[in-house]
Amino acid sequence: ETGVTQTPRHLVMGMTNKKSLKCEQHLGHNAMYWYKQSAKKPLELMFVYSLEERVENNSVPSRFSPECPNSSHLFLHLHTLQPEDSALYLCASSPQRAPNTGELFFGEGSRLTVL
Amino acid sequence: GENVEQHPSTLSVQEGDSAVIKCTYSDSASNYFPWYKQELGKGPQLIIDIRSNVGEKKDQRIAVTLNKTAKHFSLHITETQPEDSAVYFCAARSPRSGYALNFGKGTSLLVTP
Repeated sequence: ETGVTQTPRHLVMGMTNKKSLKCEQHLGHNAMYWYKQSAKKPLELMFVYSLEERVENNSVPSRFSPECPNSSHLFLHLHTLQPEDSALYLCASSPQRAPNTGELFFGEGSRLTVL
Repeated sequence: GENVEQHPSTLSVQEGDSAVIKCTYSDSASNYFPWYKQELGKGPQLIIDIRSNVGEKKDQRIAVTLNKTAKHFSLHITETQPEDSAVYFCAARSPRSGYALNFGKGTSLLVTP
């Protein structure tokens, strides 16, 4: 039990579908993150929410839309994705805000395949 | 922005041997250097970290060293065991980068019995 739970663990979608990834943290942390993990590439930070406010958005295409309704839940809404968006999407949380956020706690990821 | 290079990309050692993974970073202001271990089908998990005011840190069979002048840091695993087999990521954070933790590309470590 990592304290950060992601659903679904696997998702296959067509390019015209709309789907959402969900993340929930049970650690009482103040910041939540979406990372993209592709083969042979470093983890890429996509979005950061601190106390439900989006504080970072790293030039992510608008077909990815995050939502943070409260400090425990984070969503990533997916719309008209491309095959190159296939990857492992990792959610993480940290106890504090920047600059000393403390340890990142990752979920197990949602493996996305776009056909 | 910060650029983190990690080597080697794959490493195979025999059980009981030591393993060393090296990383370099570009931003001299970086002050926090964590190492994460990712097992198959799981998310990365922090195994050890070091801050820029410390040159070395140990935790049982794992140690990390930091050379600020050369801007490189290394992970050392002694007496390796098959359960050490995983992908290891180094990372660096600068006060200038806000929440961003810049990761290396990872090292796939295989420990053979």
